[in-house]
Amino acid sequence: SAVISQKPSRDICQRGTSLTIQCQVDSQVTMMFWYRQQPGQSLTLIATANQGSEATYESGFVIDKFPISRPNLTFSTLTVSNMSPEDSSIYLCSVYASGTSYEQYFGPGTRLTVT
Amino acid sequence: QQQVKQSPQSLIVQKGGISIINCAYENTAFDYFPWYQQFPGKGPALLIAIRPDVSEKKEGRFTISFNKSAKQFSLHIMDSQPGDSATYFCAASDRGSTLGRLYFGRGTQLTVWP
Repeated sequence: SAVISQKPSRDICQRGTSLTIQCQVDSQVTMMFWYRQQPGQSLTLIATANQGSEATYESGFVIDKFPISRPNLTFSTLTVSNMSPEDSSIYLCSVYASGTSYEQYFGPGTRLTVT
Repeated sequence: QQQVKQSPQSLIVQKGGISIINCAYENTAFDYFPWYQQFPGKGPALLIAIRPDVSEKKEGRFTISFNKSAKQFSLHIMDSQPGDSATYFCAASDRGSTLGRLYFGRGTQLTVWP
């Protein structure tokens, strides 16, 4: 498995502002994933972040709104830009378990409320 | 289009009973089927997973049953306990895909009454 931490664990932000969420993994990983989980809903993949290359975004998500950085093999950030109340969600990062390319483990999530 | 369909949306079970959650998929390229358990305020935790070369996998009180021809799989929780009360998500992925993304069901909120 992998130990994943996220900062902040929760935040309340005003509309129009931006928040950067950090994800730290205890081991080097090639791919990191960012998900959004809206209240009472399932998980939706935002983007896949590989170290050293541009993130790959899923349909409905764009880089201007959710810029991602991946400076090294243990760290990534997701920024939620120009926030609106509709961005209120839990944001989760995940990684593959070491030695697999399919077994995914999730961080504890960042609970974002936009007022 | 929902790649993985999960039912029921909510489930109430008496302590000691059997909880059963069902999922169905269409994409025959899927070859990895995990279940995640999520408690309020926590990230999803990998509970158990199965590959289509077996019809059943058991870990403690948790069992996955897999029906490849019907493209269905289910989670059985035996002797359900109040501590099992959580939201359960099924998922599927194609391990051969370069992105390896998981497709999640909508989730089942399980409540186990003492």
